[in-house]
Amino acid sequence: GESVGLHLPTLSVQEGDNSIINCAYSNSASDYFIWYKQESGKGPQFIIDIRSNMDKRQGQRVTVLLNKTVKHLSLQIAATQPGDSAVYFCAENIGNQGGKLIFGQGTELSVKP
Amino acid sequence: EAGVAQSPRYKIIEKRQSVAFWCNPISGHATLYWYQQILGQGPKLLIQFQNNGVVDDSQLPKDRFSAERLKGVDSTLKIQPAKLEDSAVYLCASSRQQETQYFGPGTRLLVL
Repeated sequence: GESVGLHLPTLSVQEGDNSIINCAYSNSASDYFIWYKQESGKGPQFIIDIRSNMDKRQGQRVTVLLNKTVKHLSLQIAATQPGDSAVYFCAENIGNQGGKLIFGQGTELSVKP
Repeated sequence: EAGVAQSPRYKIIEKRQSVAFWCNPISGHATLYWYQQILGQGPKLLIQFQNNGVVDDSQLPKDRFSAERLKGVDSTLKIQPAKLEDSAVYLCASSRQQETQYFGPGTRLLVL
């Protein structure tokens, strides 16, 4: 069935290092992907998105890479800061299902000072 | 621009009781979503509204869950009767049509 999964459930990095969070998706019909950050006790917060006609998109300190050949998505965070500590979810939007998002399990990012 | 508002933030009830959650989406957002997020998992869509109409409720347990968005703005999600496995965070999100979804803080439900 449909699924979005993450390779690593936890990731620990040193402050100032770059972080890479990976995600695999299974539905070839997905045409829109979003990364969300969720801090403890809060709702998911939009970070960055990418459409299937792109393979890279950059934001402020974040970059999302999309490899449709192997159905893989990654989020790169440059110069990781303690405030980046949270659970990160990737979500896929299947184009013909009216905006429905399928979320993965999540990766917990821990930044050591 | 104000974000998605939800209330209450926390709720503790006993099994077989009823509970209701309220959501006020971002102004101008036609699409509203309710998600259930069980501890340690990603959010799972329960129901999606476009204005006051239901777009997708395929994963809503309709024997005990109901939701409405009568005037196409605010929405309520109800559980009656609650079960232990309903303990979760209930998230509301909204979007302009079916674009990027923005989430509220969620309601944390504990069923004892």
